[in-house]
Amino acid sequence: GDSVTQMEGPVTLSEEAFLTINCTYTATGYPSLFWYVQYPGEGLQLLLKATKADDKGSNKGFEATYRKETTSFHLEKGSVQVSDSAVYFCALGDSGNTPLVFGKGTRLSVIA
Amino acid sequence: GAVVSQHPSRVICKSGTSVKIECRSLDFQATTMFWYRQFPKQSLMLMATSNEGSKATYEQGVEKDKFLINHASLTLSTLTVTSAHPEDSSFYICSARGRMNTGELFFGEGSRLTVL
Repeated sequence: GDSVTQMEGPVTLSEEAFLTINCTYTATGYPSLFWYVQYPGEGLQLLLKATKADDKGSNKGFEATYRKETTSFHLEKGSVQVSDSAVYFCALGDSGNTPLVFGKGTRLSVIA
Repeated sequence: GAVVSQHPSRVICKSGTSVKIECRSLDFQATTMFWYRQFPKQSLMLMATSNEGSKATYEQGVEKDKFLINHASLTLSTLTVTSAHPEDSSFYICSARGRMNTGELFFGEGSRLTVL
């Protein structure tokens, strides 16, 4: 079945450092890809998404490109802030009644 | 954007009692809702999928008699943890997908259940 693998954390960075969180997937068909973010004590929020190959999702300085040839959707940000400290989930899915398939999440801590 | 509200955000109950968690889509009709349980190591486990007006589909290993899910309307789904025990203590998160069907899920804020 479909699956998502993302790098294990925790990841600790200094403020203004460059961030990459790797995500690869296996899927039949052509799913949409998502990054969700979970701040402490909260539910998940959609950070960005891409619905087809070569699409780039971006939001709040974060970017990820849907790479079909490498089955990847790596999350990047050029300069992280303390407020970016959260857990980041990579996910894939289609519309309809099928749930999203999530990676295990990567905890990011940004220190001043 | 689409908003999903979950209530209560925190609940503490005694062992053996039942707890109901509500999940509402505030500004869209949720044709499908999904309930997840999040464990301390942060991973999300899908518990069940519910479609409005039909019985929920439970994932393997999830006790349907213990975790009762009702999706009575297009804006409300409830999860009832029956005869709760300390091992049921967890963070429960609902999510919904609407008729706009863009693939993404909209999540509630989560409910922290602590069973004493």
